[in-house]
Amino acid sequence: GAGVSQSPRYKVAKRGQDVALRCDPISGHVSLFWYQQALGQGPEFLTYFQNEAQLDKSGLPSDRFFAERPEGSVSTLKIQRTQQEDSAVYLCASSPGQGATNEKLFFGSGTQLSVL
Amino acid sequence: GQQLNQSPQSMFIQEGEDVSMNCTSSSIFNTWLWYKQDPGEGPVLLIALYKAGELTSNGRLTAQFGITRKDSFLNISASIPSDVGIYFCAGQLYTDKLIFGTGTRLQVFP
Repeated sequence: GAGVSQSPRYKVAKRGQDVALRCDPISGHVSLFWYQQALGQGPEFLTYFQNEAQLDKSGLPSDRFFAERPEGSVSTLKIQRTQQEDSAVYLCASSPGQGATNEKLFFGSGTQLSVL
Repeated sequence: GQQLNQSPQSMFIQEGEDVSMNCTSSSIFNTWLWYKQDPGEGPVLLIALYKAGELTSNGRLTAQFGITRKDSFLNISASIPSDVGIYFCAGQLYTDKLIFGTGTRLQVFP
């Protein structure tokens, strides 16, 4: 597709369930970012990949959060034993160069996660 | 996590009015960005600023990079209904991750 694609669009999970959120970046984009956006807040950085290498995971809130990008394209953000405070929109963004090259950083529409 | 302070938090204006919002940080950045986010969508870049004191326009939007490198300003002239949305600033140091602001929600009434 032409843009960054995220799935599912919406996810409802019971507390304690594991969830997996998928991001398909724009084809050929080297850099991939995950952000968490709580209701009424701005996006907060979670983690950054350059190709398949996870270069920065300083924003992951706990060891229940895990992200991978094994072949340097599609990425999955996994949350284990979900808690209510994990409820948020999870945004994925990609860019063609190393790091966040601004004019070419494109965001997906996000996955809205609700933990009951 | 770190978030930048944006003000005002929300604005309710009439169509045709001008809008001003700002963003402040406790640390310096060498890039300032302004994004707009519509409901159910990801942020879309409006303007990028790369130099302290720089003033850049994109149609009816004008943004400035503060000379202290710790703040930025966005103005929208002659607002129209499609300007409705949430505006976020973001700061960046080199090609590091973006640090976003708390957002300004804009509502335009006809």
